[in-house]
Amino acid sequence: KQEVTQIPAALSVPEGENLVLNCSFTDSAIYNLQWFRQDPGKGLTSLLLIQSSQREQTSGRLNASLDKSSGRSTLYIAASQPGDSATYLCAVEGSQGNLIFGKGTKLSVKP
Amino acid sequence: DAGVIQSPRHEVTEMGQEVTLRCKPISGHDYLFWYRQTMMRGLELLIYFNNNVPIDDSGMPEDRFSAKMPNASFSTLKIQPSEPRDSAVYFCASSFAGTLSNQPQHFGDGTRLSIL
Repeated sequence: KQEVTQIPAALSVPEGENLVLNCSFTDSAIYNLQWFRQDPGKGLTSLLLIQSSQREQTSGRLNASLDKSSGRSTLYIAASQPGDSATYLCAVEGSQGNLIFGKGTKLSVKP
Repeated sequence: DAGVIQSPRHEVTEMGQEVTLRCKPISGHDYLFWYRQTMMRGLELLIYFNNNVPIDDSGMPEDRFSAKMPNASFSTLKIQPSEPRDSAVYFCASSFAGTLSNQPQHFGDGTRLSIL
């Protein structure tokens, strides 16, 4: 059974720092890996989707990498801003099409 | 585009009552997903529809839960009778292509359900 783990559960950094969020999964037979952002009281917003054949995806200050063989993904945020404060969730889509989510990393960027 | 619209945003009711959650997907999206989020279990898929037809309901916790999609612009998730352990945030999401499509899902803002 696929399990997705995100460490740390919470992270606090000063504004301007570069930071890395981690995601690991137990079954490497994935179709894609997705990173989402969730603001308090809101739904999820899709940030990046990495197909199983890809190694990374970039969008603005965000870069996500995927290493299927080791079951790991990282989300790199450059030059963090207070507006980046949110919970970041990682999800993997398996061959049956079901999205399995991690429990998220709650990020706080202090001005 | 108004995005995925869910109602109500908050629902507080007593144990044993029937609860109905509503969702309007993004126009043109033919896949609709219902999720439940709790602190203990995180975000879990309950059921999803393609062209108004339920495709996978293996995540529905028990017979007290039912979901319908009578047309392309409306879906309901019903709990009858409700129990305190059903307290959670319920999300609806839609996409214009479904699973295994590398297309992102678009989420509503959720319904926060509290069963007393």
